[in-house]
Amino acid sequence: GAGVSQSPSNKVTEKGKDVELRCDPISGHTALYWYRQSLGQGLEFLIYFQGNSAPDKSGLPSDRFSAERTGGSVSTLTIQRTQQEDSAVYLCASSLIRQGGADTQYFGPGTRLTVL
Amino acid sequence: KQEVTQIPAALSVPEGENLVLNCSFTDSAIYNLQWFRQDHGKGLTSLLLIQSSQREQTSGRLNASLDKSSGRSTLYIAASQPGDSATYLCAVRKSGSRLTFGEGTQLTVNP
Repeated sequence: GAGVSQSPSNKVTEKGKDVELRCDPISGHTALYWYRQSLGQGLEFLIYFQGNSAPDKSGLPSDRFSAERTGGSVSTLTIQRTQQEDSAVYLCASSLIRQGGADTQYFGPGTRLTVL
Repeated sequence: KQEVTQIPAALSVPEGENLVLNCSFTDSAIYNLQWFRQDHGKGLTSLLLIQSSQREQTSGRLNASLDKSSGRSTLYIAASQPGDSATYLCAVRKSGSRLTFGEGTQLTVNP
């Protein structure tokens, strides 16, 4: 079946502009995650959505970052007034939440964001 | 705060060699541990997931072990092939949501 998809695959923007990154999770997966992978920083958690529960936003680095998930499926990560330090690969993942901890996270190919 | 460390940072081996990648974590109260593979410029592919109640998982030439009490996991790759060249990431999940990742081990298998 189809995996997690993300768009665009690459995005180049100018400092100060807003960008929107899209994630389509695997159909039926109730949990959706956003991570960021920066050069030399490794992978860091940004935000997590699970069903109708309030999202866990504890990983968002600043109030310029926000995300929403419409209808329990597609998610959009928005970065306002982009800065050069926002340049990174933004990865989305989805999973089924299972009892016992067997909830593998499946990742999309990522969006490479470059802020000039 | 959970910290995940992977050793070595980089590894280069000849084809056919068996190898072990190491992962350690500071907080042993984890829900599960997952090993991923990341090819250059690509997303992550899940390899193995070990639940906190398990000690190992196997898939083909891969075997992952978990010693939760000591905060360690190893990924064993048997009979390595050039196609195994990639960055291998270890990630732990506490009860909740987020995965905490290690920095990865960059593996090169030379033909």
